[in-house]
Order: sequence, then structure tokens, then C-alpha cells
Amino acid sequence: EDKVVQSPLSLVVHEGDTVTLNCSYEVTNFRSLLWYKQEKKAPTFLFMLTSSGIEKKSGRLSSILDKKELSSILNITATQTGDSAIYLCAVDATGNQFYFGTGTSLTVIP
Amino acid sequence: DAGITQSPRHKVTETGTPVTLRCHQTENHRYMYWYRQDPGHGLRLIHYSYGVKDTDKGEVSDGYSVSRSKTEDFLLTLESATSSQTSVYFCAISESVTRNNQPQHFGDGTRLSIL
Repeated sequence: EDKVVQSPLSLVVHEGDTVTLNCSYEVTNFRSLLWYKQEKKAPTFLFMLTSSGIEKKSGRLSSILDKKELSSILNITATQTGDSAIYLCAVDATGNQFYFGTGTSLTVIP
Repeated sequence: DAGITQSPRHKVTETGTPVTLRCHQTENHRYMYWYRQDPGHGLRLIHYSYGVKDTDKGEVSDGYSVSRSKTEDFLLTLESATSSQTSVYFCAISESVTRNNQPQHFGDGTRLSIL
């Protein structure tokens, strides 16, 4: 059975800290791994990682895919209160279906 | 933001009643998806569509049906709602999954409560 596991489930940090969120997966036909940020409403797309693009960076956020370890990390440096959200990891395993982890809830305290 | 509109945004109904949720897109994307999001489970795929009148089941499809008669609209129907279907429902769209590895973009969700 395909599955995606995220850790930790929740995290509380102070502004300025650096955080690392983890995502591991077991799927039969990996195509890509995606990270989303969810605040109050819709998940918003952050990064997509594939075999041909294993590292992405945007401002203070960066992500790396480790295909050997079947995992990915999402790093956020110099955290701000606006980074408080649920971060979702999803894996595209068949080209038509995405499997999501349960998410990591990040709270950044001023 | 991707042009995705879900309606209604909130609904409260009683067990046994039929419920239809609508997802409307203005992006002309081929793929459309319905998910439910529950605490402890994350987002789970209910059904998806890969074209007009072309749909397939996801991992939690029991008790749900879908229809797509136009590219822009994807309807999710609960024929006889049960309390276990109380959830937040998200619609997502994607331009092309199999060829260009395009990400999904989500609507704002529908909060459905079944009493």
C-alpha cells in the first residue's frame, strides 16, 4: 500500500529559528514529490521535486529529495510568524493520483 | 491564484439526505480531483477526472459519485449522507500530470456537516 509519512506532527519554534520538516514515502511508482503550505483555506503549492530536479529553493524555503532514502526535507530558515501553517507533503505515484501525508503543523512564536 | 470556485462553502444537512458539491474552474485544465480532509488522515482522494465524462475512483470513493459533463465543472454527490462524511472537501485541478509533472492547485474547500 502506498503511503506518505510526515514528521514531526507538530512543531513550535521562535521567530528566527531554522526548522526542518521531514517526509518519507513508500510508493510503487514514484513520479514526483510535492510540498504544500496550508493556512486557513486551500493548500498552496511550494515545490515539486522529481528525479531530474531533486533540490529547489525559494527565498527562505528549500527542499531536497533523497531518492535513495525515499524521503524529502523542507527547510525554513529565519522563520517568521507568517510561516505558521500546516505543511503537507504529497507523492505522485501513478501520474493520476497523489498520496498526501497528514502534515506537520508549524507554529512560530514572536 | 488558480481560478477554482467551490460551492457551497459551508453546508449543514441531515443524515440520509442527498448532497451535491460543485467545483468550477476557469483554467481549462484537464484533470480535476475531489479530496476530503480529516484530522489524523490528511487529504484523501475520493474521485478524479481526466476529461469530460472520464472519471475514476480514489482511495475513499465508497458513498460518493461524481460527474463531469463540461470541462469546467466537476460535481461530487453524496447520495445518502452519513455522519462519517462530515469533513472538509477540497477540489483540485491540474493541467497535465502524466506528461509535464504539473502540480495540483486547490480550491478553498467546502465544510460539510452531517447531523
